[in-house]
Amino acid sequence: ETGVTQSPTHLIKTRGQQVTLRCSSQSGHNTVSWYQQALGQGPQFIFQYYREEENGRGNFPPRFSGLQFPNYSSELNVNALELDDSALYLCASSSKREGLNEQFFGPGTRLTVL
Amino acid sequence: GESVGLHLPTLSVQEGDNSIINCAYSNSASDYFIWYKQESGKGPQFIIDIRSNMDKRQGQRVTVLLNKTVKHLSLQIAATQPGDSAVYFCAENYMNRDDKIIFGKGTRLHILP
Repeated sequence: ETGVTQSPTHLIKTRGQQVTLRCSSQSGHNTVSWYQQALGQGPQFIFQYYREEENGRGNFPPRFSGLQFPNYSSELNVNALELDDSALYLCASSSKREGLNEQFFGPGTRLTVL
Repeated sequence: GESVGLHLPTLSVQEGDNSIINCAYSNSASDYFIWYKQESGKGPQFIIDIRSNMDKRQGQRVTVLLNKTVKHLSLQIAATQPGDSAVYFCAENYMNRDDKIIFGKGTRLHILP
């Protein structure tokens, strides 16, 4: 296990609703990245948070937003859910203090939008 | 545009044989490459990485080869075991930018008894 935890494990929402997913980073890690993984695809980078600020963003609309807290945990918020938002959402933690290191992934949150 | 892709979506290998998973990337500016293993119901797990100033790196039972001339990356798994069954992703990163990792679509590795 990587020490990265995510909650909830599964979630079902309907179109137009809003969702908040949570991630606790591995102890000592100060950076959290979020990815969306559609079925049968590789993970797609959504954004990264470092020192409570967004530090890089992928090709996702503004209705995807996030937060990082002083304890380095993070939230991913998605507004106005669409059917295509159904996916596995992964967070990964890493430590910029040590330079570019491997990212440790959590087990993911499976989101289904009906 | 940026893309990291794989040549084959599935690969079946006899237990005990060596496995070779291939990957092509399109961006010559990529300077860091990673292989991940993803088992069912789990997040991707780091296997091995390689920087663009190297052409080979070995780990425990795994070897990554990088050919920058043809923009090709491969993962070799020696003496494949049932526990190696998973989806394998190659990924690229730009070390001088943010830590955005670009994943390919993945190759499913089946181990035959």
